[in-house]
Amino acid sequence: SAVISQKPSRDICQRGTSLTIQCQVDSQVTMMFWYRQQPGQSLTLIATANQGSEATYESGFVIDKFPISRPNLTFSTLTVSNMSPEDSSIYLCSVDGPGSEQYFGPGTRLTVT
Amino acid sequence: AQSVTQLGSHVSVSEGALVLLRCNYSSSVPPYLFWYVQYPNQGLQLLLKYTSAATLVKGINGFEAEFKKSETSFHLTKPSAHMSDAAEYFCAVTLKTSYDKVIFGPGTSLSVIP
Repeated sequence: SAVISQKPSRDICQRGTSLTIQCQVDSQVTMMFWYRQQPGQSLTLIATANQGSEATYESGFVIDKFPISRPNLTFSTLTVSNMSPEDSSIYLCSVDGPGSEQYFGPGTRLTVT
Repeated sequence: AQSVTQLGSHVSVSEGALVLLRCNYSSSVPPYLFWYVQYPNQGLQLLLKYTSAATLVKGINGFEAEFKKSETSFHLTKPSAHMSDAAEYFCAVTLKTSYDKVIFGPGTSLSVIP
């Protein structure tokens, strides 16, 4: 299974600012995924990031708010822009396993004040 | 489009008792099904998966799940609950294509009473 790390593990940010979350995988992968988990809720897919191409965003998520970079096959970043308290969530990155399962990073816990 | 429902947002069991967490899915084609566990302040960990081999799937930590096509269910069980099983459990579904996004259920919070 892939080992995934995320930075930062948690942060407290002021509204109107931006935070960039990093996701590092210990092996090369084609696709990386970014999820949001709002307090007490399930996971919602934000976007899928392929190396060398624009990320594909799910309905309700836009690039201006959640820009994603995928510079190589082991790394991706998600930026949460112009934050509001509604952006307070856990943000998780994941990658596909060989049997369509997903492996997740530990998450980034974001609080916006 | 596929979807997942989990009956019971919160389940409490006594230590040593049977754990039963319910998951029902909706899919137009045979799906892949998964159970994930999320311990407090951690990411998600795969417990087990069904990918059209045996209908009874065994996972980590003594958990197992049975795929029942006629009932469109994939319930998670463990014969004897342990205090360390207290966590959030998510059922998930995806289609058997080269790429299809994973849909997660709403989750069930399991409490284990000593």
